[in-house]
Parts: sequence; C-alpha cells; structure tokens
Amino acid sequence: DGGITQSPKYLFRKEGQNVTLSCEQNLNHDAMYWYRQDPGQGLRLIYYSQIVNDFQKGDIAEGYSVSREKKESFPLTVTSAQKNPTAFYLCASMSVLAGGTDIQYFGAGTRLSVL
Amino acid sequence: AQKVTQAQTEISVVEKEDVTLDCVYETRDTTYYLFWYKQPPSGELVFLIRRNSFDEQNEISGRYSWNFQKSTSSFNFTITASQVVDSAVYFCALPSDNDYKLSFGAGTTVTVRA
Repeated sequence: DGGITQSPKYLFRKEGQNVTLSCEQNLNHDAMYWYRQDPGQGLRLIYYSQIVNDFQKGDIAEGYSVSREKKESFPLTVTSAQKNPTAFYLCASMSVLAGGTDIQYFGAGTRLSVL
Repeated sequence: AQKVTQAQTEISVVEKEDVTLDCVYETRDTTYYLFWYKQPPSGELVFLIRRNSFDEQNEISGRYSWNFQKSTSSFNFTITASQVVDSAVYFCALPSDNDYKLSFGAGTTVTVRA
C-alpha cells in the first residue's frame, strides 16, 4: 500500500534525552514536512524538505533537528533543548510537480510524552 | 503573510442536521488554492477538498459542499445530513506563496450526537 508510515505511535522521553521520530513514505514525493500539534490547536510547521539533502526551518524549529539523506525518509529528532516536547507530531509529504498547490498527505502521527 | 481564521471552536449537532464550517483567509496572492482537511479521533489528517481561486463555482460532492467567495475571502464547508462518523476536527488551509508550505487554521471540532 502507498502511504506514509510514522513510528512509533507512542513515545516517551526522559529529561535530557534526545528522541527520534521516524517518517517513511513510498509515494515518491519530493517534499516532506514535520508538524507539531498541541491540544486544541492547529498544526505548526517544524521543518520541511523539498529535496534530498536539503531542508528548511519552519515556524518552530528550535529544539528540533532533521535529516534528509533519502527521498523516502525524513526523521525528526527532538533534542534535550526542546523544553516542552509533549505534543502530537505529524509527518506529511507532497509531490512538487504542481508546485505548492498539490495535496499534502499525512501519516498517522506520533504522540510524544515526557516522563 | 498567509493567515487562516476558523472562528468556530466547537460545533455540536444531532445526527442528520447540517453543519457549516466557516473559514476566512488572508493572502497577498492573486491566485491560490484552499484546502479542507479532516482529523478523526485516530489523529491522521485526511484530505477532503481543494479549490482554486479561479473557480468560485460552488460544488457538491456527496454530503459535502463548499461555498467559496473571493469577495469576502471565505471558504465555507458544509456537511449535509451529518452522521456520527463525521465527528472530527476540521482544518482549513492555505499554501504559502511559493514556499510549498501550508498555513492551517486552528480547527473546528465537530461532534455529531446520535
């Protein structure tokens, strides 16, 4: 099946620990995105990548890092510098053939909590 | 900058009632697309509709319909004869100019009671 796979579904972080959220897509999309969602709020963009080996900061990049070594993979690391990491994290991908007007498709999300 | 406002925080209806969700946007672009997404309790965002600013014709797709009015910068979405499975958070979104990013509204939580 084509789609976006996020893992794990639930993740717990200890104080001072870095954790990595996985996002894999087999849609052959060039662009990939990470969003953060807090309860009762909309989605805020953390990082995005339009092409392999290149990525840009979104609106709330502080305390996060990403890599894009392969077209199908865009892992997000929540570092110890992110003091309030508890949130729901969503990964998305999009074809860039139609420019910025194509549809973003989303994974099922990872719920991160602090122990 | 692009901005999307969904003034309705929560809407609660009884099954079979119609539900209209409001979306007001701000953009400097002369041509643009608008999107609606649904987020059921499972969490995954599901694409519903995309509309081009060139076409203000209102359309119906099954139980969904939308009302796009460029003059008032509004892109409202209606669910006709609501069902319990329509219970979800609904987001309106607008692409940033040339950046391949989406600006989302805060979302409207729809609860359909049996």
